[in-house]
Amino acid sequence: AQTVTQSQPEMSVQEAETVTLSCTYDTSESDYYLFWYKQPPSRQMILVIRQEAYKQQNATENRFSVNFQKAAKSFSLKISDSQLGDAAMYFCAYRSLLNTDKLIFGTGTRLQVFP
Amino acid sequence: GAGVSQSPRYKVAKRGQDVALRCDPISGHVSLFWYQQALGQGPEFLTYFQNEAQLDKSGLPSDRFFAERPEGSVSTLKIQRTQQEDSAVYLCASSFSDRGKSPLHFGNGTRLTVT
Repeated sequence: AQTVTQSQPEMSVQEAETVTLSCTYDTSESDYYLFWYKQPPSRQMILVIRQEAYKQQNATENRFSVNFQKAAKSFSLKISDSQLGDAAMYFCAYRSLLNTDKLIFGTGTRLQVFP
Repeated sequence: GAGVSQSPRYKVAKRGQDVALRCDPISGHVSLFWYQQALGQGPEFLTYFQNEAQLDKSGLPSDRFFAERPEGSVSTLKIQRTQQEDSAVYLCASSFSDRGKSPLHFGNGTRLTVT
């Protein structure tokens, strides 16, 4: 069974600085999707960025980028030029291509942004 | 509607009561998912529908949990004889297709408190 691990329960960053959130996963599959979701106090899960495992190029969405290391099964999220609105829970998630129904989430990292 | 709608937003139930949680997915979305998110944890998969067919209910924690989507649109998650351990946020998500790449759109969840 696949598992997702987020080892940082909390992180903090100064406004305008850069922060990296860590995620590792375990799978025996060769093809899959990885996601980062943001969950503000409103509770809605918002998709931040997505990576297909067959793509070697790291995904980028504006200030958000990932460092995808397939061999190491690592998928970290880098937030550049942090803004106060980035403060939220961040969840890493795995989705199999063979079993496309489930998203498997990590336990989350709470990000605080200080002015 | 513009997004996934869940109701009620908050529900307080006395232990032993039955509850029903509603999810209105985005119009035209084939796939619908229910997740349970305990306090301080990541969401955990409960069940999955493709149109009206419940294709995976492996995450339902007990036979007190029942989900339906009779016409392939609105879904209801029912919990019978609620217990304190059922207290959690229940998230609903929908996606356009059952392919792994199709992103999940989440609602704001229902926070269930069992007293």
